[in-house]
Amino acid sequence: SYELTQPPSVSVSPGQTARITCSGDAFPKQYAYWYQQKPGQAPVLVIYKDTERPSGIPERFSGSSSGTIVTLTISGVQAEDEADYYCQSADSSGTYSHVVFGGGTKLTVL
Amino acid sequence: QVQLQQSGPGLVKPSQTLSFTCAISGDSVSSNYAAWNWIRQSPSRGLEWLGRTYYRSKWYNDYAVSVKSRITINPDTSKNQFSLQLNSVTPEDTAVYYCVRAIAVAGMAFDIWGQGTMVTVSS
Repeated sequence: SYELTQPPSVSVSPGQTARITCSGDAFPKQYAYWYQQKPGQAPVLVIYKDTERPSGIPERFSGSSSGTIVTLTISGVQAEDEADYYCQSADSSGTYSHVVFGGGTKLTVL
Repeated sequence: QVQLQQSGPGLVKPSQTLSFTCAISGDSVSSNYAAWNWIRQSPSRGLEWLGRTYYRSKWYNDYAVSVKSRITINPDTSKNQFSLQLNSVTPEDTAVYYCVRAIAVAGMAFDIWGQGTMVTVSS
């Protein structure tokens, strides 16, 4: 089955750009999805299908893909962006029958 | 807007069955463009997808390999909800449990989450 690997932590100062990577053999065959989770809350979808942003998610959130690595980029980081971020994809043999998550990356805004 | 309201116990004894229901408002469990999932989260296992039920002219279920022998997810069209049963629980099943919608237009992304319920498996 596929595994997704994320760095445990990323730190940036306000206004800088944060990049969170996720690597795995699921890519690029399967889409990548990104979720933001703040303490005590359920995860929130911030990127779907590699690069698409749901309505209501700020434009500073973007996604990209290159080979087996996908990246969540947060431009002009704000204090409110401090959270855990999880990538997700599918472990599929063509039927899209299973789901895998990365271990999560804690974004600290210095 | 779509909302998911989950209900279930916060404490379950080892070897017993963990049961949850998730009531759907603003959408239908029989929708042809959604799937209805259970996901749990614990410090040791992170986010773990458990399984889903969905309707595409007939009902389908998919389950994670890690729980496949112990899990059942069922739709209830009369109440517009779906349920989770996890048998023979152990302390390793201690986690926050979420019911979650996946939507086809977003490539089956998990776009709507329930509030989450902390479950402790302990005698």
